[in-house]
Amino acid sequence: DQQVKQNSPSLSVQEGRISILNCDYTNSMFDYFLWYKKYPAEGPTFLISISSIKDKNEDGRFTVFLNKSAKHLSLHIVPSQPGDSAVYFCAAKRDFNKFYFGSGTKLNVKP
Amino acid sequence: EAGVTQFPSHSVIEKGQTVTLRCDPISGHDNLYWYRRVMGKEIKFLLHFVKESKQDESGMPNNRFLAERTGGTYSTLKVQPAELEDSGVYFCASSRQTNTEAFFGQGTRLTVV
Repeated sequence: DQQVKQNSPSLSVQEGRISILNCDYTNSMFDYFLWYKKYPAEGPTFLISISSIKDKNEDGRFTVFLNKSAKHLSLHIVPSQPGDSAVYFCAAKRDFNKFYFGSGTKLNVKP
Repeated sequence: EAGVTQFPSHSVIEKGQTVTLRCDPISGHDNLYWYRRVMGKEIKFLLHFVKESKQDESGMPNNRFLAERTGGTYSTLKVQPAELEDSGVYFCASSRQTNTEAFFGQGTRLTVV
């Protein structure tokens, strides 16, 4: 039973435009959400997080939005750069529990 | 500060053999996690150590998998005997506290043939 879902396996965006990666979750008890970025042959790298008490968190070109009523999380990258091309994983956790990950979205930013 | 390191980076073994994966967490991180990604699917939780104690091992697939963290430092994950479906990338992660992000190692790609 997958509690975190990323329904788009891939996304292609032109350099300079906005990339929007989406994530849905089923467990309303999740209170902390994260995005990880993964390059081939490397481990996931932490990108940005958001607590359930917030609906937006911004860090440079990266913004994460949380819609608790819809159980939906999104990552906006603007402007997108070719170096952003990677697989992006959404993750969620509850209290001191384990992380639950989505299956990832492969982002390709075209020059 | 060194990151999370895993050894080996790749392992190819025959079905029925034994393999031991090692993870060295970031120094000072009490929390250590093992995760696995199979066939491009989601990264799935295996277990969580707090220091040397197993906090949660609900994700361990079966008793062919044994994880240890003697002394609360590095951890090993042994698969014995390995089966074909055990193939995948095994990630280790560590965190200082449980309510923060975890830092991942580069993973060990295990192929069972």
